[in-house]
Amino acid sequence: EVQLVESGGSLVQPGGSLRLSCVASGFTFSDHYMDWVRQAPGKGLEWVGRSRNKANSYSPEYAASVKGRFTVSRDDSKNSLYLQMNSLKTEDTAVYYCTRGGSVTTGYWYPMDVWGQGTTVTVSS
Amino acid sequence: DIQMTQSPSTLSASVGDRVTITCRASQSISSWLAWYQQKPGKAPKLLIYKASTLESGVPSGFSGSGSGTEFTLTISSLQPDDFATYYCQHYLNYPPTFGGGTKVEIK
Repeated sequence: EVQLVESGGSLVQPGGSLRLSCVASGFTFSDHYMDWVRQAPGKGLEWVGRSRNKANSYSPEYAASVKGRFTVSRDDSKNSLYLQMNSLKTEDTAVYYCTRGGSVTTGYWYPMDVWGQGTTVTVSS
Repeated sequence: DIQMTQSPSTLSASVGDRVTITCRASQSISSWLAWYQQKPGKAPKLLIYKASTLESGVPSGFSGSGSGTEFTLTISSLQPDDFATYYCQHYLNYPPTFGGGTKVEIK
């Protein structure tokens, strides 16, 4: 079964840091682009960032709202994706989803076809 | 950034109704558009990609159409399991933005 499982969400004070993890199973993780998407309470979906695969130098992309504060990384040997979040703000409060993007097989212009269950980050004093 | 605008934001319908949701892009995205369904407390689920390609396992009552800047998601006969919030998303370039969502409610 194709699965993504996030962890690491918690309550953190403004200005603090947090690292989210996502473990993948059931597919060849190293082949795929991977993304983080978040959803603030009662709001819509917002793309946060992407990790390309090894074939594309693991190069990242970020939303303007998190650039310079968040870092997406991955460890293909552990089938894991990470989101390091620094200088957290109250507006970063959200459920964070790990998602699977395209691969050389599907093409890289591809939607987010597998989603984890999400992990909740609350930024509050 | 490309802005995605969905309408309506809320839709009240009955089981068996034909439902259409519209998504407009602020510039041409060719057919690089996806539709997702989200139920309360759950992760979104991919329904349609490349504007009109049904994701594996998605019921055939869902269909998508459009290209360029105008797109539609149609549910041919609304089922009880279809009451949810629907989002469109472009994936032409970065950032891949989502529409604001359309909540399909029971009438």
